[in-house]
Amino acid sequence: DGGITQSPKYLFRKEGQNVTLSCEQNLNHDAMYWYRQDPGQGLRLIYYSQIVNDFQKGDIAEGYSVSREKKESFPLTVTSAQKNPTAFYLCASSNSGGTTDTQYFGPGTRLTVL
Amino acid sequence: GENVEQHPSTLSVQEGDSAVIKCTYSDSASNYFPWYKQELGKRPQLIIDIRSNVGEKKDQRIAVTLNKTAKHFSLHITETQPEDSAVYFCAASYGAGSYQLTFGKGTKLSVIP
Repeated sequence: DGGITQSPKYLFRKEGQNVTLSCEQNLNHDAMYWYRQDPGQGLRLIYYSQIVNDFQKGDIAEGYSVSREKKESFPLTVTSAQKNPTAFYLCASSNSGGTTDTQYFGPGTRLTVL
Repeated sequence: GENVEQHPSTLSVQEGDSAVIKCTYSDSASNYFPWYKQELGKRPQLIIDIRSNVGEKKDQRIAVTLNKTAKHFSLHITETQPEDSAVYFCAASYGAGSYQLTFGKGTKLSVIP
C-alpha cells in the first residue's frame, strides 16, 4: 500500500469553497475508490472507478465529484453542496481481474471546514 | 444493498488472552470478506481475508472463520499483545463479482498489559 499517495495530509476549507483531494497510485491497479470515515461510522463509499474515463456513485456521493482521466490518478472534489464535509478521506485501489480483490489504502486526507 | 453488522464496538482484553470480533452480512451472493486493522490516524491495513469457498483461514495468531449458511464471519486473535490495540473493520463484497466492499462500523480493541 506504499504505492498509493494522497495529498495534502491536512486540509482546511472555508464554507462555500470547493476543494480537491489528490490520490495517485503506481500499483497499476485498474480500480480506485474514495471513502469517507467519520468516528463510529466505519468507511462509507463515495465514488469508485473500475476503468479510466468511467466511474460510479457509491452510497454517499451527494456533494462530491470525481474524474478518472488517467489510470494512476483519481482526484475527489468536495463541493460547497456537501453539507458536512469535515471528515477523514481515504483513497484505495485494487486489481479488477473479474473478482473482488484486496483494496489497498492511501494514508488519508483530513479535511476540516472552518 | 449489502449490510454489514459488527460486534462488539469496543473490546478490552488482558495481554495473552484471545479476542473475537463477529460480523454478519445480508447478501448471500457476497464472496469476499477482508479484515482491516487501523491504528490511530493511520490508513487501514489488510490483516487477513477469506473467500466463500473456504470456511477458515489462519495466519500465525490471526484466524478468520466463515459460516455462509448463517451469513456471519469472525476474526480470532490469540495470545494478544499491546501492539494489537487498534480499530478492526470487517467488510463484505457487494454481491458476487462486484468490486465494492461494504464495511462494518469497527471494533476498538484494547489490550491491557
